[in-house]
Amino acid sequence: QLQLQESGPGLVKPSETLSLTCIVSGGSISSMNYWWGCIRQPPGKGLEWIGSVYNSGTAYYNPSLKSRVTISVDTSKNQFSLKLNSVTATDTAVYYCARQIGGGSWSLDHWGQGTLVTVSS
Amino acid sequence: QSALTQPASVSGSPGQSITISCTGTSSGVGNYNLVSWYQQHPGKAPKLIIYEVTKRPSGVSNRFSGSKSGNTASLTISGLQAEDEADYYCTSYVPPNTLIFGGGTRLAVL
Repeated sequence: QLQLQESGPGLVKPSETLSLTCIVSGGSISSMNYWWGCIRQPPGKGLEWIGSVYNSGTAYYNPSLKSRVTISVDTSKNQFSLKLNSVTATDTAVYYCARQIGGGSWSLDHWGQGTLVTVSS
Repeated sequence: QSALTQPASVSGSPGQSITISCTGTSSGVGNYNLVSWYQQHPGKAPKLIIYEVTKRPSGVSNRFSGSKSGNTASLTISGLQAEDEADYYCTSYVPPNTLIFGGGTRLAVL
């Protein structure tokens, strides 16, 4: 059964870089039918798509975050990673990893449990 | 891009049917059959319940159904049950290569 597990520091200082790793188990990140996505949810608020990456390294990003975001993939470790630069308190959120159905579906069929990242000095 | 528009809250009694709307633009919802719906219980990760407007993933109850008319997609839950009380989010593909979420709708089962 496919599982995604987010891993990262729970606390990041303002202006620094938030780094999150998503470890995929029970399936291959190299599968040709899927992309891999990052989504976040500020406390008490709605969901926001951050971006998605394919096993080739091709990535698409939310235009509102594009200047600060990089999502990369490491097929040898079956994981993908999110980096968000120059964070502020507004980046405090639960960050989720998810599998995105390929073939143009743009739906997210498996999610990790999420990890809370707080931006604070 | 702006978020898709959903009602903040809806409510219904057990056994009733409710519908949640999700309004976008002609370039997104109106032009592509790429609307999905997610159910999120408090403290839990979202769960995909409808994709590509009308399709249900394996294991999702047939009490959940989706539809679309013009720039508005809808999620209907029939035979409401207490366990359906949750937040519901829609998403839509918007070119080029962007996914947007709705603001979310809280469903209360009275």
